Amino acid sequence: QKEVEQNSGPLSVPEGAIASLNCTYSDRVSQSFFWYRQYSGKSPELIMSIYSNGDKEDGRFTAQLNKASQYVSLLIRDSQPSDSATYLCAVKNAGNNRKLIWGLGTSLAVNP
Amino acid sequence: GAGVSQTPSNKVTEKGKYVELRCDPISGHTALYWYRQSLGQGPEFLIYFQGTGAADDSGLPNDRFFAVRPEGSVSTLKIQRTERGDSAVYLCASSSGQVGGELFFGEGSRLTVL
Repeated sequence: QKEVEQNSGPLSVPEGAIASLNCTYSDRVSQSFFWYRQYSGKSPELIMSIYSNGDKEDGRFTAQLNKASQYVSLLIRDSQPSDSATYLCAVKNAGNNRKLIWGLGTSLAVNP
Repeated sequence: GAGVSQTPSNKVTEKGKYVELRCDPISGHTALYWYRQSLGQGPEFLIYFQGTGAADDSGLPNDRFFAVRPEGSVSTLKIQRTERGDSAVYLCASSSGQVGGELFFGEGSRLTVL
């Protein structure tokens, strides 16, 4: 079992819809969770971080964390074609090391 | 500049040659990371610096890879005797160190080994 798992996609949604991206992780003591967006040919860009159970909203983005079920999700409301990218989930485990564990990413296509 | 700067953006070299990739992090960021990424994959951790010291080099694939950060700012990733399998985008990221996962990435150095 991979430490951080994401569906590779592609996830295809129409413009204006809600896109839902999911990520599961295996280490129960994981503490910090991050969503990065990566456009084709570009570097990852941090869009959301979440540290405690529940929802965290930032504009059209909502991150949801459920530590009991070991999943974290990202919702994108009113999806735009410019949201089309690969979304990478990253998890930081307990301990002093600062190494992130990365998923392989989910490709999202928002169709006009 | 305000962001993480990496040079060169593109490097083509022949098998067996030596390569250096440079990273200039965001000013004041104490933590610096090197990753590499192949097409369709997530970033693969190589090494992490906190200040001048390598706090975690467990991701370096073998002893052909080495990285330094002598003054706690600019870092250089050095690859000796390059192999075709080293071809990838090498990403550098920095963070303020306050939180372990909020990374700011440079645009990457694409290495192609012929």
